[in-house]
Amino acid sequence: DIVMTQSPLSLPVTPGEPASISCRSNQSLLHVSGYNYLDWYVQKPGQSPQLLIYLASSRASGVPDRLTGSGSGTDFTLKISRVEAEDVGVYYCMQGLQTSITFGQGTRLEIK
Amino acid sequence: QLQLQDSGPRLVKPSETVYLTCSVSGGSMSSNYYYWGWIRQPPGRGLEWIGSIYYTGSTYYNSSLKSRVTISLDRSQNQFSLQLTPVIAADTAVYYCAGAFGYRGYNPIINDKNYYFYQGMSVWGQGTAVIVSS
Repeated sequence: DIVMTQSPLSLPVTPGEPASISCRSNQSLLHVSGYNYLDWYVQKPGQSPQLLIYLASSRASGVPDRLTGSGSGTDFTLKISRVEAEDVGVYYCMQGLQTSITFGQGTRLEIK
Repeated sequence: QLQLQDSGPRLVKPSETVYLTCSVSGGSMSSNYYYWGWIRQPPGRGLEWIGSIYYTGSTYYNSSLKSRVTISLDRSQNQFSLQLTPVIAADTAVYYCAGAFGYRGYNPIINDKNYYFYQGMSVWGQGTAVIVSS
């Protein structure tokens, strides 16, 4: 199975400041089709996870453009340009290249 | 808008069988789905993928659970299900059903006119807390 490693695991951020979460895989997630099969999800307190980014950089419907996914191969990043209170939650990366799907450990974003 | 409603028993004894269903409403479960899947979250921990059933009809399972899990589809009832047997205490978790979707189009990179583009797991159920205890 592909191992997904996120950093940091805890991310305190001042409102209005940027935030960045790194996700690395131990195998390339670049498919022959030209797409990286890497998603980002957030689980806000008391809620089910929700999709933010798919195929490494495509925003899901309704996701604000403050959130940006980037990267290719084995290194990926989720950036929030200006953190707001509503961004509090645990962020997970997930690889879907292999049919044996795996998630990162999660990064807890909190407001300072 | 498509919605998922998962349901099943909340408390099961070790060695028994847990059967969870996920009902799809607001649309047909046969339209544009890439896969239907189950994910679980033990108390205080992260997300663990259990298994998925793809639009191709193939089913894939987490290797650590493969011998105990079955995912099936019932298009006539617009639902899919998860069976886990026999359960152990470590199976205590919140179980989520989810759907990933896609669309067919032209992929110029591989010159495929009928490529199925993946669009992420965009629909999730509310989660069912399952406790395994005698």
